[in-house]
Amino acid sequence: KNQVEQSPQSLIILEGKNCTLQCNYTVSPFSNLRWYKQDTGRGPVSLTIMTFSENTKSNGRYTATLDADTKQSSLHITASQLSDSASYICVVMGSASKIIFGSGTRLSIRP
Amino acid sequence: DAGVIQSPRHEVTEMGQEVTLRCKPISGHNSLFWYRQTMMRGLELLIYFNNNVPIDDSGMPEDRFSAKMPNASFSTLKIQPSEPRDSAVYFCASSLAGGPHEQFFGPGTRLTVL
Repeated sequence: KNQVEQSPQSLIILEGKNCTLQCNYTVSPFSNLRWYKQDTGRGPVSLTIMTFSENTKSNGRYTATLDADTKQSSLHITASQLSDSASYICVVMGSASKIIFGSGTRLSIRP
Repeated sequence: DAGVIQSPRHEVTEMGQEVTLRCKPISGHNSLFWYRQTMMRGLELLIYFNNNVPIDDSGMPEDRFSAKMPNASFSTLKIQPSEPRDSAVYFCASSLAGGPHEQFFGPGTRLTVL
């Protein structure tokens, strides 16, 4: 069964600290993996897109990793800011129409 | 560019009524996606279009749901008749076709069916 599982479900950290969010998937065939940030009441915004051959991709303070062998990805946030409070959604695309969403990690940054 | 535009932003209707959601994709994008988001099920792909042609509608939950894209700058998602379980946020997204291009999401339409 095609699945994307994210952990933790929720996370609270202090401003300035780092954190890592996890994504495990069983989607096959695999095309690419995406991380989205979704602020409350808004649509998701793309952070990174990684294909099979890419291990790491950065977007500012966000760094995503992909291990296609173990089918795991992580999103590392460095020096967190209050504006990082949001839901982070891992999405795996098996083909143009096979788009499997994780349930997301709700991140709260405390001052 | 104004990004993906959706209307209305909020819709409250009664069970049995017809609901039409509208989307204007980013100019130049030739792929358009309709998604639904609920607390219970998260984000789900309903249907996607390539060059105005529906490619895969397997995510459309029932025959009550239909989507059209009459031209490159406009798409609709219609629910008829609506039911309370259709209450959700409906997102439209657009992207370039032919590769792992970034999808740009609209602000969503929050639908409440009483």
